[in-house]
Amino acid sequence: SQTIHQWPATLVQPVGSPLSLECTVEGTSNPNLYWYRQAAGRGLQLLFYSVGIGQISSEVPQNLSASRPQDRQFILSSKKLLLSDSGFYLCAWSRQGVNYGYTFGSGTRLTVV
Amino acid sequence: RKEVEQDPGPFNVPEGATVAFNCTYSNSASQSFFWYRQDCRKEPKLLMSVYSSGNEDGRFTAQLNRASQYISLLIRDSKLSDSATYLCAVKPPNDYKLSFGAGTTVTVRA
Repeated sequence: SQTIHQWPATLVQPVGSPLSLECTVEGTSNPNLYWYRQAAGRGLQLLFYSVGIGQISSEVPQNLSASRPQDRQFILSSKKLLLSDSGFYLCAWSRQGVNYGYTFGSGTRLTVV
Repeated sequence: RKEVEQDPGPFNVPEGATVAFNCTYSNSASQSFFWYRQDCRKEPKLLMSVYSSGNEDGRFTAQLNRASQYISLLIRDSKLSDSATYLCAVKPPNDYKLSFGAGTTVTVRA
């Protein structure tokens, strides 16, 4: 069966510090991978998605970047965090194709102080 | 107009009641529809896909109304454990990116 791992679960970082969140998927190959952010009491905002190694598409201009160095690894990064980067970050995967829903990782709750 | 819109609620219902709510979408050519459940401070989990003919999973029934561009979720015989936020998700045609609604909060009281 497929599993998705995301870490860390919580993170408190000072403004201006770097960020690296990692997500890995097991039990499948060539997944579509996604990073979402959910602000407190708000909906899910798609940040990045990837359909293959090294292929990253950004949905919104922001202080963040993403990379996919391996087929089942997706990394979200920032060189300098802003207060507005606080939120609940969720990684998700789906099979290739339009009829599949997503499976989410357990999320990282980031607080920038 | 947002791609996907939901009534945020909250819907406060007693145990055993039936609760139903809708989600509207803007792209009439959208092809895939889903309902997710999200507990407080947890990740969303897929509750059910929504098929054109409608589908049922235990106490949960999902319907699609293409003419009016909405999907619905009905929960029968509500349990305390059904308290959660329910997110709808829609895929535009020829796309694999899901657009999510902001969620409908349901609280089931004893």
